[in-house]
Amino acid sequence: GAVVSQHPSWVICKSGTSVKIECRSLDFQATTMFWYRQFPKQSLMLMATSNEGSKATYEQGVEKDKFLINHASLTLSTLTVTSAHPEDSSFYICSARVPAADTQYFGPGTRLTVL
Amino acid sequence: AQTVTQSQPEMSVQEAETVTLSCTYDTSENNYYLFWYKQPPSRQMILVIRQEAYKQQNATENRFSVNFQKAAKSFSLKISDSQLGDTAMYFCAFLLSSGSARQLTFGSGTQLTVLP
Repeated sequence: GAVVSQHPSWVICKSGTSVKIECRSLDFQATTMFWYRQFPKQSLMLMATSNEGSKATYEQGVEKDKFLINHASLTLSTLTVTSAHPEDSSFYICSARVPAADTQYFGPGTRLTVL
Repeated sequence: AQTVTQSQPEMSVQEAETVTLSCTYDTSENNYYLFWYKQPPSRQMILVIRQEAYKQQNATENRFSVNFQKAAKSFSLKISDSQLGDTAMYFCAFLLSSGSARQLTFGSGTQLTVLP
C-alpha cells in the first residue's frame, strides 16, 4: 500500500507554545489530506480536510485559528497547534487519499503532550 | 448523512480459530466504498480490506474476507487462522464514491484480542 509519514512521532511542549506536525505522502501525490484527533479507546475524529493549494475545510467545533493547516504541495500537509494548552494533548493522525484508488492511507500518528 | 455501527466493543478468539466482526451502516446512496482498518497497539492505522459497493463478489485478502450484504447494509469481517499479531482495534469505515465533501465515516471500533 501507499506510505504516509508523520513527524514528529511524539512531542512534549509547554503551555502557550506552538507545535507543528508534518504529514508526507512518500510514494504518491495527494491532492487531499485529512487530520484526525483520537482520544484513548475511541474512534478517529475528523478535524479538517486539507486540499492542496486551497484553504482547509474544518469540521464543526474545530477552531481554525488554533489548528492551522497548510497543504503547500502535493506531498506535504502541516498542522500547527498554536498556543497549545493541556486540553490539546492528544493523538493526532494524518491521512492521505490515493486519487486513483479512492483509498486513504494513514500516518503513524503524533502524540502531543502539553505541560 | 451516513452512519456506521459496530455493535461489538470487545471480542476475543483463540489463536488459529476464526472470528467474525460485525459492521452495519446506513446510507441512502447507491455508490460507495467500505473499508476495514486495524489499529494495533502501535496505533498505526492499517488498511485491511476494501469493498466497492457495485461489486457483488466479496473482497478477500489472504486470511481476511468480508461478507458484504448490500440490501441488509451489512459488512462483516472474517479473520481465519487468527494470529497473535491480529490483536488490534478494528474500525469499519464508509466512503461515498462521489460528491464534493467526501470523507471517511468510522464506526466506534471493535477491540479484538487473540489469545495464545
